[in-house]
Amino acid sequence: QMQLVESGGGLVKPGGSLRLSCAASGFTLRGYYMSWIRQAPGKGLEWVSYISSNSGLTIYYADSVRGRFTVSRDNAKNSLYLQINSLRAEDTAVYYCARMGGWGGFDIWGHGTMVTVSS
Amino acid sequence: QSALTQPASVSGSPGQSITISCTGASSDVGSYNYVSWYQQHPGKAPKLMIYDVNNRPSGVSNRFSGSKSGNTASLTISGLQAEDEADYYCSSYTSSSTYVFGTGTKVTVL
Repeated sequence: QMQLVESGGGLVKPGGSLRLSCAASGFTLRGYYMSWIRQAPGKGLEWVSYISSNSGLTIYYADSVRGRFTVSRDNAKNSLYLQINSLRAEDTAVYYCARMGGWGGFDIWGHGTMVTVSS
Repeated sequence: QSALTQPASVSGSPGQSITISCTGASSDVGSYNYVSWYQQHPGKAPKLMIYDVNNRPSGVSNRFSGSKSGNTASLTISGLQAEDEADYYCSSYTSSSTYVFGTGTKVTVL
């Protein structure tokens, strides 16, 4: 069964940092582009970032997070990461990792990990 | 990148068909056949229902179909069932090599 499991969320003060992880099982992460997508409480989905397959040389970010968030991957550990720095209240959200089956859709999603930014 | 525009809510009776629109721009929906649709039940992760405008993943009911005309994509649910009550989001690849989601539509089965 193909599955993604996120971890690393929590309560952090404004300006703080967190590292989110996403562990894949049932498939080999190496061969897929992967994305992070977030959803603020009671709000819609917002695409955050994606990283290309294999060596992950191609990376894109949403304007709202560029310069503060860094996506990376460790294919040996079948895992995806999101380093989030300089956190703001508006970064409060459930963060999902998702597999990109192609350019046209995110076909496998994790259950999400909650990040709360509050003093 | 502005969110794609969806109606806030759509409702229908069991057995009826409903259509959800998703309006973007020539820089996203209008230029790429990379539109997808997601179903999200409360407290759950989104689920892919349609990819590449009009393709269904394995296991998704054929009551769900997608289409696109110009800058507007659409999701049609036919034979509406109680289990279809959920939030639905569209998404598109963009000319900036990024992705944008729609504002979301709450589907209510009357």
